[in-house]
This record gives sequence, C-alpha cells and structure tokens, in this order.
Amino acid sequence: DAKTTQPPSMDCAEGRAANLPCNHSTISGNEYVYWYRQIHSQGPQYIIHGLKNNETNEMASLIITEDRKSSTLILPHATLRDTAVYYCIVRVDFNSGGSNYKLTFGKGTLLTVNP
Amino acid sequence: DTGVSQDPRHKITKRGQNVTFRCDPISEHNRLYWYRQTLGQGPEFLTYFQNEAQLEKSRLLSDRFSAERPKGSFSTLEIQRTEQGDSAMYLCASLGGAWTEAFFGQGTRLTVV
Repeated sequence: DAKTTQPPSMDCAEGRAANLPCNHSTISGNEYVYWYRQIHSQGPQYIIHGLKNNETNEMASLIITEDRKSSTLILPHATLRDTAVYYCIVRVDFNSGGSNYKLTFGKGTLLTVNP
Repeated sequence: DTGVSQDPRHKITKRGQNVTFRCDPISEHNRLYWYRQTLGQGPEFLTYFQNEAQLEKSRLLSDRFSAERPKGSFSTLEIQRTEQGDSAMYLCASLGGAWTEAFFGQGTRLTVV
C-alpha cells in the first residue's frame, strides 16, 4: 500500500489560508489521493480527491505536483470550525475497475485554527 | 448527519463477553466498510462488503471478529470473547455505485473493562 507522510500538527490564524502538505512518494500512476478530516468524536468527513489535476470544490482546493509525489490541501479561509485532524490518503483499489477500494489512513495532521 | 447510522453509540462490556454492533448505511449504497480507530491513530480498515458479499478482510482481523451483511442492507460486526485491546471506536462507512467518496457514521465506542 502506498504510504503518506504528514506533519503531526499545524496552526493557522482564523481567516487565513491553511495549507496542509502531504508526501506520497510511492504512489502508483492510477492511485487517487483523498483528503478526509475528523472533528473530535465524529466520523471522518470527505473533503476532496484527485488523480493528476488540481481540484477545487466548495470546501477546499487540492494541488497535486506534476510527479504526483506530493500534494497540498488548501482551506482558503480557515474558521474555528475547521479545527480537526486532516488525513491524506492514497486509495488502494481491490480490482482494476476502481469500483472496489479501501482508504488507508495514517495519523494525519491536527490543524488548530486560532482566533 | 451523513445518513450512516451506527448503534449503539457507546458500549461498555466486561472482558470475555461478546458484543455486536449494527450499521445502517445510506439506503442506496451497495458498498460498506468497517474500520477500527484507537486513540491517537487514524482509522484502520477491517473489512469490506459489496452488497451481501464480504470481498475483503484485513489480515490483522482476529478470528474473534466476524461481520455480516445478510441482505445487502444493514451490517453487523460481532466481537467474541472481548479483550481489553479491543477497546476502540468502530466506524462504518458506505459508498454508492456512482459515488467516489465514502460516508462515515459517528461510530460505536467500545470500552472493555
């Protein structure tokens, strides 16, 4: 399974952009990068995913380097409610069709948004 | 609320007892996962169902653990002869055919005393 490396913790000021890095140097060409977050005592929440191109949705942006060995999750205007553990995950497919897969979580990054 | 429901939310049991947890996925989702999460760690994959078929099971999963999804809807996870090391949050997630993201429930927190 491809592994990811994330800093254990980061701080961000409220209203500023939060940039969360992730290294996945052993990723294969057809493996997706997913980001989830987990607020204390809740289940993980999907944020965004991508393969090669940069992606943006209403929650965040995902920037993947051209060699796909690293990525950055960007929360453009962090709020106090964004304080959570953020997981960078490489999706591992059970079969070649991509419809059956598992998400292998690491320890994630604890992002603390300060007022 | 993601639509994935887990019951109970909390369970305290004595060592050696059997426990069973239930997961009700989002109704149209045919794929279902069980994960386990201990304090300070990310969720760890346990097993995966597509409809009623259990397609994948972690090699780390003890034979005291068994999961079922009899009609391809709700699922149960049973732990026999619980040990203190089984204390953890047990998470269920579901995934539909057209979706590429899994939705997680709030989890069942098990404490073995």
